[in-house]
Amino acid sequence: SQQGEEDPQALSIQEGENATMNCSYKTSINNLQWYRQNSGRGLVHLILIRSNEREKHSGRLRVTLDTSKKSSSLLITASRAADTASYFCAPARNAGNMLTFGGGTRLMVKP
Amino acid sequence: DVKVTQSSRYLVKRTGEKVFLECVQDMDHENMFWYRQDPGLGLRLIYFSYDVKMKEKGDIPEGYSVSREKKERFSLILESASTNQTSMYLCASSFPQASLNYGYTFGSGTRLTVV
Repeated sequence: SQQGEEDPQALSIQEGENATMNCSYKTSINNLQWYRQNSGRGLVHLILIRSNEREKHSGRLRVTLDTSKKSSSLLITASRAADTASYFCAPARNAGNMLTFGGGTRLMVKP
Repeated sequence: DVKVTQSSRYLVKRTGEKVFLECVQDMDHENMFWYRQDPGLGLRLIYFSYDVKMKEKGDIPEGYSVSREKKERFSLILESASTNQTSMYLCASSFPQASLNYGYTFGSGTRLTVV
């Protein structure tokens, strides 16, 4: 099944810095989604970028997609301690409506 | 505010017990999913359902069954709980073809410990 692989596995930064997380996948996609999970809670949908889009913004989030390299990145600008969480990418295939999730990137933002 | 509600946040059960994990959504979603999440293994799909009374196996269905008698409710059943089923269980729901247009909505999770 299609699965995104996030990199790095863990990231620690100071408040105010930018955080960049990467995602790679293997097959063609219709779109790619990013989710956030606070410790011990469920996942929350952050943003969806379609295969014909190269960049998308939502508040302090910027997502890029390079379908030729089968990769995506999530940038969180001016990070806050409250951004501390795990972040997952989920590539969505052309057929079907299943999402699969990798191990995520654990982001820690130090105050 | 749309919701997926999982009946328990924390659950402790004994080996061999039959365990029911309940999930209810109020968004009239057709699709519902059960995942388990373990450190280092990410989220793994156990079962999903596209409609009432319909179910499909995911990647790791062994030791589990599901029930979907009503559209809003999707139950995960551990027929005979074992210690290797200690995990975080996450329920999610979505509209059909949601991955093409929308995301999934997740519940808060049930942390199950089998002793």
